[in-house]
Amino acid sequence: QVQLQQSGPGLVKPSQTLSLTCAISGDSVSSNSAAWNWIRQSPARGLEWLGRTYYRSKWYNDYAVSVKSRITINPDTSKNQFSLQLNSVTPEDTAVYYCAREGGTAGDAFDIWGQGTMVTVSS
Amino acid sequence: QSVLTQPPSASGTPGQRVTISCSGSSSNIGSNTVNWYQQLPGTAPKFLIYNNNQRPSGVPDRFSGSKSGTSASLAISGLQSEDEADYYCAAWDDSLNGFYVFGTGTKVTVL
Repeated sequence: QVQLQQSGPGLVKPSQTLSLTCAISGDSVSSNSAAWNWIRQSPARGLEWLGRTYYRSKWYNDYAVSVKSRITINPDTSKNQFSLQLNSVTPEDTAVYYCAREGGTAGDAFDIWGQGTMVTVSS
Repeated sequence: QSVLTQPPSASGTPGQRVTISCSGSSSNIGSNTVNWYQQLPGTAPKFLIYNNNQRPSGVPDRFSGSKSGTSASLAISGLQSEDEADYYCAAWDDSLNGFYVFGTGTKVTVL
């Protein structure tokens, strides 16, 4: 079955870059029917979609307007994974971060989720 | 920030029917399909309903979804103790170059 395994630090200093990775098993980051998303959750902002990467003969990215100037989501086909980089973080970026698969047989729903990573932005 | 509005809480006794509403706009629910997620404490959300009213394999048929215009709803019939969780509606929004939006969430309590 498809599984997503997240990794990355749980503590990031203000103004630095938050970096997380999501390793995929049971599917391919280059799938022509799936998209690979990052979502975060905090008490203040609830569930917030950050962006996605997907392959449809070429690579595409979509980002939320709220983080568009600071975010990069990259696929890594050699390791079958994708990553999140969020630059210039502030305490407002403190949240649980999830990766998730969109598509498969579930339309545009996020049918598979990673386990979540609690990231705290603090000096 | 959420643009899909849900009631903060709902409750019922075991066996009762509980309905959760989700109010959106023409740019999200009005023009795209609605998905629902269940989140148990300390866990990642789990998808419950997709394409407005489709249940993935393994989801009990006591969960049902519907959509009308710019609103959607999730019904839980025959409420069980294990249904106590947070529930979120979600949909793509066609404004601002497109983004995925989640609802504000509803905490369901089984009395």
